[in-house]
Amino acid sequence: QKEVEQDPGPLSVPEGAIVSLNCTYSNSAFQYFMWYRQYSRKGPELLMYTYSSGNKEDGRFTAQVDKSSKYISLFIRDSQPSDSATYLCAMSEGSSNTGKLIFGQGTTLQVKP
Amino acid sequence: NAGVTQTPKFRILKIGQSMTLQCTQDMNHNYMYWYRQDPGMGLKLIYYSVGAGITDKGEVPNGYNVSRSTTEDFPLRLELAAPSQTSVYFCASSYSGQINNEQFFGPGTRLTVL
Repeated sequence: QKEVEQDPGPLSVPEGAIVSLNCTYSNSAFQYFMWYRQYSRKGPELLMYTYSSGNKEDGRFTAQVDKSSKYISLFIRDSQPSDSATYLCAMSEGSSNTGKLIFGQGTTLQVKP
Repeated sequence: NAGVTQTPKFRILKIGQSMTLQCTQDMNHNYMYWYRQDPGMGLKLIYYSVGAGITDKGEVPNGYNVSRSTTEDFPLRLELAAPSQTSVYFCASSYSGQINNEQFFGPGTRLTVL
């Protein structure tokens, strides 16, 4: 079993749709959860970061963490064609102070105008 | 600030050849990382460094070597290229190893080994 599982998609939605991207994980020691966005042929960039369980909102983006279910989600409201990218979840125990992250496989999202 | 720069952008190698992937950052970051990204496999950590002169293995270090003689540079060396090393390689850096410190990624090097 992979430590972090993410549906690779691709996911295709019409402009304005609500998008839900998800990851599950097996390591209960993970405490820090991140979402990176990666445009085609570019490096990933940090989108959102959450510590432990709960929700975090930033504009049209909401990150949710449910540690009891070992499940994290990223919701995108009013999706735009510019949101078309690969979204990678990443997580860490945070105890080693090395900054090491475990990434999911990434979900490719296409938002059609 | 150029951020994290990587050279070359693309490279084709023959089996058994060697090469060095260059990575430079101008943000005075202490921590630097090398990842590889295969289709549908996410990012896997190859090596990382917590400062000049200090490096350590990640998840998939076999077939690679690194050095960190300066804060700015973190080259990745492939000694005997194999088809399994065909991948996109990303270098990243962060100010510290604390997990809320964002990792900044370079644009990547696309390597094909034939």
